[in-house]
Parts: sequence; C-alpha cells; structure tokens
Amino acid sequence: EAQVTQNPRYLITVTGKKLTVTCSQNMNHEYMSWYRQDPGLGLRQIYYSMNVEVTDKGDVPEGYKVSRKEKRNFPLILESPSPNQTSLYFCASSLGASGRNTGELFFGEGSRLTVL
Amino acid sequence: AQKITQTQPGMFVQEKEAVTLDCTYDTSDPSYGLFWYKQPSSGEMIFLIYQGSYDQQNATEGRYSLNFQKARKSANLVISASQLGDSAMYFCAMRVELGNFGNEKLTFGTGTRLTIIP
Repeated sequence: EAQVTQNPRYLITVTGKKLTVTCSQNMNHEYMSWYRQDPGLGLRQIYYSMNVEVTDKGDVPEGYKVSRKEKRNFPLILESPSPNQTSLYFCASSLGASGRNTGELFFGEGSRLTVL
Repeated sequence: AQKITQTQPGMFVQEKEAVTLDCTYDTSDPSYGLFWYKQPSSGEMIFLIYQGSYDQQNATEGRYSLNFQKARKSANLVISASQLGDSAMYFCAMRVELGNFGNEKLTFGTGTRLTIIP
C-alpha cells in the first residue's frame, strides 16, 4: 500500500530535549516536505527536499533541521524544542516537479507534538 | 512571493445544497499548480482536485469541480449536492517551480471550515 509513515504520532516532551520525527515513503517519490499546522495559520512549510542530499528552507525553518540521506526517509529534527514548536506536523511526498505530475502531495497522518 | 487567500473561515450549508469555497492566489510565475485538500476531524489530509495553470478546462473529480479563473487569480472549489460527510476543513494550495533546478515552493491557505447541516 502506497503511504507516508510518520512516527511518533503523538509526543509530549520538555523544552530543550532533542527529538526526531521520522518520515518514510514507499512510493519512490523525489519530493518530500514538512509542514506545521497551527490554528488560523493553515499549513506552513518548514523544509523540503527535491532529492537525496538536496534540501531547502520553507517559510518557517527556524528551530528545525532535516536530512535526506536516502530517498525514502526525511526526518525532522528539533535540536532544542521550545513551547512555540507545539504543533501538528505533517510530512508529505510527491513524484517531483509540478510539470511532471498532477501535483498531488501524499500526506502522512500527522504528528502532534507538545513541548512543555 | 506566493500567497493563497481563503477569506471564509467558516461556512454552514444545508445538506444537498451546492457549496463554493473561495480561493484566490498570487504569483508571478506563469507555471503553477493549484489544488484542494480536505481535512476531516480525524486529521488526515485528503487530496481532492488539481488544476494546472496551463490546463484549458476546469478540473472535475466526481462531486468536486474547480472553478479556475486565471485572469482573476481565483480557484474556487465547488461541491455539488453536499453531504454530511463533507463537513471538514478545506485547504487551497499552490505550488510553483523556482529557478531552473526543479525546486518547488508550496503555499497553503488558512483553510475554510465547512459544516453541513442536516
């Protein structure tokens, strides 16, 4: 089954304790990205990756890191989480540039993070 | 810079009526894609429909259609014969290709919460 898998789905942590949210897709997609969803703000892009070892900042990259060592995985790293990073996080993937596909993003189920 | 605007934070619609959810966008790129996602209360993001900037016809997918008016930079979602299961948050989004290296920028609107009344 084609899917994007995120872990953990729910996490409560404390300020400053490093954490990683994993994301894996089994569709051989080139493009992967991370978003955070906050009430009234919609989804905002944190980082994206066009392919292995190619990553770039989205709109709200501060406080986050990513890596793309393998095509299927795109972990989101919070080196020193703060309460303002409490949010719902989504990982998503797609085939590639919009000119070569319908543009559909496949989303993971979301990871709800609370930083105390 | 790219921007998506959804001006309706919430809408209440009677069951079986048609619904139009508004979306306007702003970009200087000639090539872009517009799409709509549905997010039910369970939280997952469900792809509904896609429209490319060069597509001549409005996209349709079952009860969903996208009213694409390029000159007005609008991409409204129309849901015909609404059902109780259509109650959800709806997001309009746009992706544009940046530069010559295939990098893409994806921007979402703030969403419209649609409630279908029995």
